[in-house]
Amino acid sequence: GAGVSQSPRYKVAKRGQDVALRCDPISGHVSLFWYQQALGQGPEFLTYFQNEAQLDKSGLPSDRFFAERPEGSVSTLKIQRTQQEDSAVYLCASSFRGPGADTQYFGPGTRLTVL
Amino acid sequence: QQQVKQSPQSLIVQKGGIPIINCAYENTAFDYFPWYQQFPGKGPALLIAIRPDVSEKKEGRFTISFNKSAKQFSLHIMDSQPGDSATYFCAAVGGTSYGKLTFGQGTILTVHP
Repeated sequence: GAGVSQSPRYKVAKRGQDVALRCDPISGHVSLFWYQQALGQGPEFLTYFQNEAQLDKSGLPSDRFFAERPEGSVSTLKIQRTQQEDSAVYLCASSFRGPGADTQYFGPGTRLTVL
Repeated sequence: QQQVKQSPQSLIVQKGGIPIINCAYENTAFDYFPWYQQFPGKGPALLIAIRPDVSEKKEGRFTISFNKSAKQFSLHIMDSQPGDSATYFCAAVGGTSYGKLTFGQGTILTVHP
């Protein structure tokens, strides 16, 4: 079956540009997570959705980062006025259940490079 | 804020060797400890996971050892193969109701033929 897909796979932006990263979770998965993975580091939590509700956005690094999941399926992570420190791989993961620890299935990520 | 510390950063073994990767945590609210495997250009994939009520879990060639009192856990890969060459991340879950993952820094494993 189809896994988690993300687009674009690669994005190059000039400093100050806005970008939008898309995540298509596994169909029927309730939970959706965004993580940021800097080069040579482990992924770091950004935000969490349960269906369309954003229940935790404590990991978003600044108010330039915004995420949405309006219909409880596809999610978009938007970064406004990109900075060089935003360069990273952005990973999306989904899991079947809402509460509790459940296997998270990751997409391949979007590699963002800010020049 | 580094809540899960992982070592070593990199590891090289010969085929058939037993690489061991170690992790330590501080937050006693953590109650689920998965390991993820990541190949270049791919997202992390769950390998094996353990809860703190058991001291060891084995799945195929992969074994997790867990020491609750020391707040440490480790991954052992038996009879390692070149195809096991990847980056391995330990992680921890707990303190929230929805399974947010806190990852270690990763270990790059190379298995020579």
